[in-house]
Amino acid sequence: QSVLTQPPSVSGAAGQRVTISCTGSSFNIGEGYDVHWYQQVPGTAPKLLIYSNINRPSGVPDRFSGSKSGTSASLAITGLQAEDEADYYCQSYDSTVTDWVFGGGTKLTVL
Amino acid sequence: QITLKESGPALVKPTQTLTLTCSFSGFSLSTSGLAVGWIRQPPGKALEWLALIYWDDDQRHTPSLKSRLTIIKDTSTNQVVLSLTDVDPADTATYYCARRPDYYDSRGNPVVFFDYWGQGILVTVSS
Repeated sequence: QSVLTQPPSVSGAAGQRVTISCTGSSFNIGEGYDVHWYQQVPGTAPKLLIYSNINRPSGVPDRFSGSKSGTSASLAITGLQAEDEADYYCQSYDSTVTDWVFGGGTKLTVL
Repeated sequence: QITLKESGPALVKPTQTLTLTCSFSGFSLSTSGLAVGWIRQPPGKALEWLALIYWDDDQRHTPSLKSRLTIIKDTSTNQVVLSLTDVDPADTATYYCARRPDYYDSRGNPVVFFDYWGQGILVTVSS
């Protein structure tokens, strides 16, 4: 059980918008630690998608955006494409376990 | 161009020590602010951060495995080595090494995330 909770799965039709939540507590996201997001296509290494809540690395399409509020963060994907089908992980720091932690991951299915 | 690549055994017996090497190029671990970390992923499960070593040799280990983990760097060969002692089938996973960039938040605190990843190496612990 991760201290960062993500829905196991989300789905959306091609062209639509989906959001993936990452729920933490006052010991991680709520304490002000930044949230980062990774995309992992099955069989490949994770890829950095969003860093420090809202920033996109060079080369990541602006269809991907991040936000953070209180003890939660969200990843939004607009204009869903078949290539977006992957697992998505959030990551932050938790002061109770003094550890960098990942969420349990969310599998995105593009219908 | 920044690349990282993991190497090591694909199969390890229980109670043995697992030693993995991360060979990287395109950056130097003698550069202030940089770090290299190890993250693993059991089959079908989530990512788990294991250890991190900074340019100044500062090290961090996940508390749950701290007594079993060792991480060292060799800046002359651009390698980081992770050792995990007394392995168990529960340590079966794909092990990734990744780079932590030189980045700080608005309060000047170091922020840890991983911008470049190796391809990963699947390690199975079995007799």
